[in-house]
Amino acid sequence: QKEVEQDPGPLSVPEGAIVSLNCTYSNSAFQYFMWYRQYSRKGPELLMYTYSSGNKEDGRFTAQVDKSSKYISLFIRDSQPSDSATYLCAMRSYDYKLSFGAGTTVTVRA
Amino acid sequence: DTGVSQDPRHKITKRGQNVTFRCDPISEHNRLYWYRQTLGQGPEFLTYFQNEAQLEKSRLLSDRFSAERPKGSFSTLEIQRTEQGDSAMYLCASSGGETGISYNEQFFGPGTRLTVL
Repeated sequence: QKEVEQDPGPLSVPEGAIVSLNCTYSNSAFQYFMWYRQYSRKGPELLMYTYSSGNKEDGRFTAQVDKSSKYISLFIRDSQPSDSATYLCAMRSYDYKLSFGAGTTVTVRA
Repeated sequence: DTGVSQDPRHKITKRGQNVTFRCDPISEHNRLYWYRQTLGQGPEFLTYFQNEAQLEKSRLLSDRFSAERPKGSFSTLEIQRTEQGDSAMYLCASSGGETGISYNEQFFGPGTRLTVL
């Protein structure tokens, strides 16, 4: 079993919809949680970073962490075609190596 | 551009050849990481440096792989006697700094895509 499991998708939504992305993890030592966006054949781009349970909002993006359930989510409001990409959850403990989910590919239809 | 840069962006080689990739991190960052990403998967950790010291290596990093960061700035990743299973995107990331940049946030380069024929 992988340490980080991510809903595989793909997801296809109409422009303006809310996109919901989820990951679960098994390692209770994970303390820091990130979401990256990756466009085709590009490196991952950091979107959100959090280290506590609860919600963190940044513009149209909301990251949610529930450490008791070992579950994290990313919500994208008012989705745009430019949000079409692969979204990767990542997490780490007190060492520095990131453990990633496999990614969810999102397509926002105009 | 002050982001992480990697060179080359693409490399095609024949099985058995040696290849070397370069990563230039964000200048004020002292931690540098290498990851490998295969199609349809998330990146997997290979190794990381703090300044010039290599602090951890994944079991994924076989004896054919070697990484260096000789002056604590740029890093190289060499693969000897390449195999078809080495075909992947090799990603470099950096973190850390002294002017308000969080140690916790890793910023990735564009990657080097390796194809072994």
